Amino acid sequence: QLVLTQSPSASASLGASVKLTCTLSSGHSTYAISWHQLQPEKGPRWLMKVSGDGRRTMGDGIPDRFSGSSSGAERYLTISNVQSEDEAEYYCQTWGTGFGVFGGGTKLTVL
Amino acid sequence: QVQLVESGGGVVQPGGSLRLSCAASGFTFNDYGMHWVRQAPGKGLEWVALIRYDGSNEFYAESVKGRFTISRDNSKNTLFLQMNSLRPEDTAVYYCAKDGRGLGYPDSWGRGTLVTVSS
Repeated sequence: QLVLTQSPSASASLGASVKLTCTLSSGHSTYAISWHQLQPEKGPRWLMKVSGDGRRTMGDGIPDRFSGSSSGAERYLTISNVQSEDEAEYYCQTWGTGFGVFGGGTKLTVL
Repeated sequence: QVQLVESGGGVVQPGGSLRLSCAASGFTFNDYGMHWVRQAPGKGLEWVALIRYDGSNEFYAESVKGRFTISRDNSKNTLFLQMNSLRPEDTAVYYCAKDGRGLGYPDSWGRGTLVTVSS
């Protein structure tokens, strides 16, 4: 069964870096995932797509503070120089055979 | 730039029906698949449905299969979601999203429309 696992919460101090993790279920370690940001009172925003070999496709206008990487079944979203506007929920998402799957989301708090 | 504007949300009784629309602009609509994704109150994002660029295939989440129908009018750059036999657990903000290059990965989103199923 295709499942994406994310930690429910994370925190980072202003100006620091934070790395969010999305873990693909067993047997699905080669799948690409996308990262999406969901801020309060706004629609979701696509950040990037990360393939199993670490290749990234970035969304238009996404600051280069946001980067993605991959290792085995884990996909990462790293935010450098965290800003207050980065406080949001972050979701990873993938596509199975005829269905979409989202992770449970990570709520990032900026301290 | 890509614009997606959802409409048609509202309050409906359990067992009722509702039709959502999504007006698209800023890209060649008939070149891309389109998704519906929802977020229930206090919950995460849930994928609902996808339709291919030409309407040739539709895909649904198990939770809505047989009750919801995704469709599109490429002459009017509009996506639809017909929702029948609505349940309280269908209460959510519904977002439409444009698929990216490569099936199944949205790359642009609307701001959503709220559907409330309640008696």
